[in-house]
Amino acid sequence: DIQMTQSPSSLSASVGDRVTITCRASQYISSYLNWYQQKPGKAPRLLIYAASSLQSGVPSRFSGSGSGSDFTLTISSLQPEDFATYYCQQSYSTPGTFGQGAKLE
Amino acid sequence: EVQLVESGGGLVQPGGSLRLSCATSGFTFDDYPMHWVRQAPGKGLEWVSGINWNSARIDYADSVKGRFTISRDNAKNSLYLQMNSLRIEDTALYYCVKDYAVAATFDYWGQGTLVTVSS
Repeated sequence: DIQMTQSPSSLSASVGDRVTITCRASQYISSYLNWYQQKPGKAPRLLIYAASSLQSGVPSRFSGSGSGSDFTLTISSLQPEDFATYYCQQSYSTPGTFGQGAKLE
Repeated sequence: EVQLVESGGGLVQPGGSLRLSCATSGFTFDDYPMHWVRQAPGKGLEWVSGINWNSARIDYADSVKGRFTISRDNAKNSLYLQMNSLRIEDTALYYCVKDYAVAATFDYWGQGTLVTVSS
């Protein structure tokens, strides 16, 4: 199975900050990388698919980049509603493994 | 509006069985693969099983292979997960998830149904 490693696992930030979360795959996954946001008590929400495509309805302050095995999720100007846990997930091969999560607080 | 509503969770003893159901609406169900993803209390996300539109392709995580069976009824717009030989480590919130049809990309999630395996 492909292992996904996110860093950092947690980070402190303030409203207005630019925030970057990284995700590394244990092997080549092309651009088959998705990002999800999960708030406490809620189901995950798809933010970015295919490494850099913004899901419909997601604010443009979210962006994704990378290919191969290294990927980045960036929030350009943190808003109060962005404090959540973020997961990357590879969809290159089955099982579609998730990273361990990055908690933004 | 896409809706996914899970049911069937509950408390079960180790070795027991449960059948989860997911009723869907708001999209053409038989156009999309569907999945189950679980989350143990306080832990991360784990993909459990997936099924393509006509049930011709079915996949399982190694952790549930041989114990869980995924199925779908396109006439009823419903997804199922039969869980047998349950273990304590199967305790989790189980989400029914719609595939975006872009290589196992999960665009809609239900609210989940809680399965607790305990003696």
